[in-house]
Amino acid sequence: DSGVTQTPKHLITATGQRVTLRCSPRSGDLSVYWYQQSLDQGLQFLIQYYNGEERAKGNILERFSAQQFPDLHSELNLSSLELGDSALYFCASSALGGGATDTEAFFGQGTRLTVV
Amino acid sequence: AQRVTQPEKLLSVFKGAPVELKCNYSYSGSPELFWYVQYSRQRLQLLLRHISRESIKGFTADLNKGETSFHLKKPFAQEEDSAMYYCALLNQAGTALIFGKGTTLSVSS
Repeated sequence: DSGVTQTPKHLITATGQRVTLRCSPRSGDLSVYWYQQSLDQGLQFLIQYYNGEERAKGNILERFSAQQFPDLHSELNLSSLELGDSALYFCASSALGGGATDTEAFFGQGTRLTVV
Repeated sequence: AQRVTQPEKLLSVFKGAPVELKCNYSYSGSPELFWYVQYSRQRLQLLLRHISRESIKGFTADLNKGETSFHLKKPFAQEEDSAMYYCALLNQAGTALIFGKGTTLSVSS
């Protein structure tokens, strides 16, 4: 168990809908990352938050947004969903971003999103 | 630009055969590189990092700055090594990991 919790585990929704994925980081980790894993693209970095602030942005679509709350949990919002958004969405946490030397990222088990 | 390239999507070998999973990177300066592994139905987890110069589950990886490579090797593959392997690079800011697209290793008997 990595200590990173993601909910829900599975989500099936229709095109055009909006969903929210939730992540609770490992205790003590201030950085949260979101990744999208698909068969075609592998593991794509979407966005990183550190202690509530956006720190780095990757290949995140405008239809997607995220935030990190004061209790450090994070939510990834996906709207106007398309069939191509079907993927496994991973959250990871680490101590990175605050000058920490421990650079290991701990991953959650992912949320499998299916858009029909 | 910071980039990680894993040229092979799938690598199939027989049990007992040597394995080399290729990883090339693009980075200015001294990179910090990692290999992560994802076994079937399990979460992604760290396998090894180059600064530790360690061997985990028989796997090793050497940083070759001249060739900008960080290939993962194991002399004798086992069936339980079958998994998805991702090479990752710590970004220049030191705040996030950049992953390659991954290589699926399939070891059969």
